[in-house]
Amino acid sequence: TQLLEQSPQFLSIQEGENLTVYCNSSSVFSSLQWYRQEPGEGPVLLVTVVTGGEVKKLKRLTFQFGDARKDSSLHITAAQPGDTGLYLCAGAFSPQDWDFNKFYFGSGTKLNVKP
Amino acid sequence: DVKVTQSSRYLVKRTGEKVFLECVQDMDHENMFWYRQDPGLGLRLIYFSYDVKMKEKGDIPEGYSVSREKKERFSLILESASTNQTSMYLCATGRGTEAFFGQGTRLTVV
Repeated sequence: TQLLEQSPQFLSIQEGENLTVYCNSSSVFSSLQWYRQEPGEGPVLLVTVVTGGEVKKLKRLTFQFGDARKDSSLHITAAQPGDTGLYLCAGAFSPQDWDFNKFYFGSGTKLNVKP
Repeated sequence: DVKVTQSSRYLVKRTGEKVFLECVQDMDHENMFWYRQDPGLGLRLIYFSYDVKMKEKGDIPEGYSVSREKKERFSLILESASTNQTSMYLCATGRGTEAFFGQGTRLTVV
């Protein structure tokens, strides 16, 4: 089983603060996704990164894929209460996994943004 | 929009019961998945299917089976429910680099 480690496990911050969460693996990712999951719902895709060194922005969220494609980070600028949720990274480690959409998930970072 | 619908949001079953969790998707995707989600453990793949009547074991298939008789429907079966199968169960479909999830079924086995 491929292992994805996410840190921190929990994060509680005030509205307006910045934060970064991390996703690491000992193996090279073929692709990596970030999802957000709200309580009682399924995860929803935020972004997919494929190329080492890639940076993608989604409003106040910035996603970075490591040069070696073994790690990724998610940075949120000026966090808002609406950002509260569980942030999950998921990766495919081989082209075959990618073909079958067979993704391995980290355990997530639970973010709470207080007003 | 892709829609993945799970038949129940909440279920309570007794130990030893046979339990069926149903999932239906409306986007004609070949690949479908069942995960369970437990605090601190993330999502773990139970089974997946890449075509009708085709299935592959995931990382934790013990105590579960699946059925895919039609492309749009993928069922997870707990042959004899046990308390350690209390969990959130998530169905997903996949295409390209994206997985689309249902809303989840929170199963409690008492």
